[in-house]
Amino acid sequence: GAGVSQSPSNKVTEKGKDVELRCDPISGHTALYWYRQSLGQGLEFLIYFQGNSAPDKSGLPSDRFSAERTGGSVSTLTIQRTQQEDSAVYLCASSFTGGSPGYNEKLFFGSGTQLSVL
Amino acid sequence: DAKTTQPPSMDCAEGRAANLPCNHSTISGNEYVYWYRQIHSQGPQYIIHGLKNNETNEMASLIITEDRKSSTLILPHATLRDTAVYYCIVPTGTASKLTFGTGTRLQVTL
Repeated sequence: GAGVSQSPSNKVTEKGKDVELRCDPISGHTALYWYRQSLGQGLEFLIYFQGNSAPDKSGLPSDRFSAERTGGSVSTLTIQRTQQEDSAVYLCASSFTGGSPGYNEKLFFGSGTQLSVL
Repeated sequence: DAKTTQPPSMDCAEGRAANLPCNHSTISGNEYVYWYRQIHSQGPQYIIHGLKNNETNEMASLIITEDRKSSTLILPHATLRDTAVYYCIVPTGTASKLTFGTGTRLQVTL
């Protein structure tokens, strides 16, 4: 696709339910990132994928959060037993690594999934 | 990521140049300076990056001082659509994640 696609754009769920958020990166981008942004706050890094592996998952806030990436493409972020503090915009970004120096950090972001936990 | 310092907010009149400063005094010789912006309710958008030379693209110009300890992002003719939070980032090492600080909230006014 032309850009990073995230679905759903909005998700309302009840406390205690599980949710899955999907990210389709730009074709050919090997790196994929998940961030979240709570209302009025800055971007919080969650996890980074290089291909299908996650060398940096240091930002996942608890074991209720997990993510996977398959085929070096689509990624799913799963939040189990959602809590109200999980309410935020979840942003996905991708980048092409292996290019000329300095281009690895040119990230392309999706529009995010607004998650509301009632 | 190397530490960067930006003013929390700035105002600019529409049609004027917006000059957004960033200090990165601990930058290393091979580290790039990146600028992103986030318009309300959207994901961050890449603007420009540079190493030591000044850079220009269709969105902005980036001026990096000779000692590389600071830089300025220039929006030559700011419009209301340029109202956003602007982030100056100096990634360290190999790419694993970008750390977005608090940035500068630019308000473009009529």
